[in-house]
Amino acid sequence: DIQMTQSPSTQPAVVGDRVTITCRASQSIGSWLAWYQKKPGKAPKLLIYKASSLESGVPSRFSGSGSGTEFTLTISSLQPDDFATYYCQQYNSYSATFGQGTKVEIK
Amino acid sequence: QVQLVQSGAEVKKPGSSVKVSCKASGDTLGRYLIYWVRETPGQGLEWMGGVIPIFDTPNYAQKFQGRVTISTDESKTTAYLELKSLRSEDTAVYFCATGSDRGGEADNWGQGTLVTISS
Repeated sequence: DIQMTQSPSTQPAVVGDRVTITCRASQSIGSWLAWYQKKPGKAPKLLIYKASSLESGVPSRFSGSGSGTEFTLTISSLQPDDFATYYCQQYNSYSATFGQGTKVEIK
Repeated sequence: QVQLVQSGAEVKKPGSSVKVSCKASGDTLGRYLIYWVRETPGQGLEWMGGVIPIFDTPNYAQKFQGRVTISTDESKTTAYLELKSLRSEDTAVYFCATGSDRGGEADNWGQGTLVTISS
């Protein structure tokens, strides 16, 4: 299985901060990378697909970049609703792996 | 878009099995890629496996090989996840999801099913 490594595991932040989360794949996955937001008691929410495409209805402050093995999720100006855990996921030939998650918490 | 409704919470004993269902409304599941994902406090989100019902060849994460079975019913309206030889570490919320037509990212999720393993 392809391994996905996210950093940092915790990101303290305040409203208005620019937040960047990194995800590395153990082998090249092209652009087959998604980002999800997870809140307690809720299902994951898709934010970004194919590394950099914004899912419909997701605010434009979220953006994704990268290809191959290195990927980034950026929140340009953190809003109160954005405190959550974020996961990257590689998906390929109906196999998939998640990163271990990054919790964005109040500083 | 298909709506996914999962079965209710379960409490199981160590060593037993559990079968979680994921029922579709608004469409059948036949043409969709179906994911099963679980969330545990220690591991976060884990992909367990997936299947496209019309092809009927499930693919499982290495970690769960031999313990997990993903299937669908004849009508392709309900998907199932069966996990055997349960242990305390399997206490988790289990989610089904469908993959998009764009490439397979999970864009539509069930509400989740809490499975608690306790003696």
